[in-house]
Amino acid sequence: GAVVSQHPSWVICKSGTSVKIECRSLDFQATTMFWYRQFPKQSLMLMATSNEGSKATYEQGVEKDKFLINHASLTLSTLTVTSAHPEDSSFYICSARTSHEQYFGPGTRLTVT
Amino acid sequence: GQNIDQPTEMTATEGAIVQINCTYQTSGFNGLFWYQQHAGEAPTFLSYNVLDGLEEKGRFSSFLSRSKGYSYLLLKELQMKDSASYLCADNYGNNRLAFGKGNQVVVIP
Repeated sequence: GAVVSQHPSWVICKSGTSVKIECRSLDFQATTMFWYRQFPKQSLMLMATSNEGSKATYEQGVEKDKFLINHASLTLSTLTVTSAHPEDSSFYICSARTSHEQYFGPGTRLTVT
Repeated sequence: GQNIDQPTEMTATEGAIVQINCTYQTSGFNGLFWYQQHAGEAPTFLSYNVLDGLEEKGRFSSFLSRSKGYSYLLLKELQMKDSASYLCADNYGNNRLAFGKGNQVVVIP
């Protein structure tokens, strides 16, 4: 199946700093990627749809100024968590779509201290 | 709105068959996915149903009834490696997925 990578796999940062997470489709081009967040023992929650060459579409309740998304090429989307706080600590997962299937990256575990 | 309901946990022995149910009440339904997720890892794709009926893929089968807003995932010949959380997800438009909380399956010898 299609391969999606994320970098970094895990990151620890101090409160108030910003963290950038990369999502890459390795063997296919993806005009659309998705960013999810998962808290422990909770379901994946869609945060935003990342569109190549245009602005991201955010789900209700997700602050677009806090979670900056850039989809500059057909194989790369980035999520920047700005001014991170402990409550932003979570498992961030991206996915990329091929026809009607979505493939997920391995996830990035963010811990904000 | 997106309202995906799944039971939370079940235990089964190796070689057994388990059925995991999922009900949904969503607008703009465009298909239902099943994913497997091991602890600390991202979900892996298992199946996709957009039409009513049963889709079989090796040991895993998935069923959909659109009129009832109901799907199930059938796991046959359970193996220890099948211990994981199983998530159903509804494609509710523009390929956005709404996930259920997942059903944790524990396989015991």
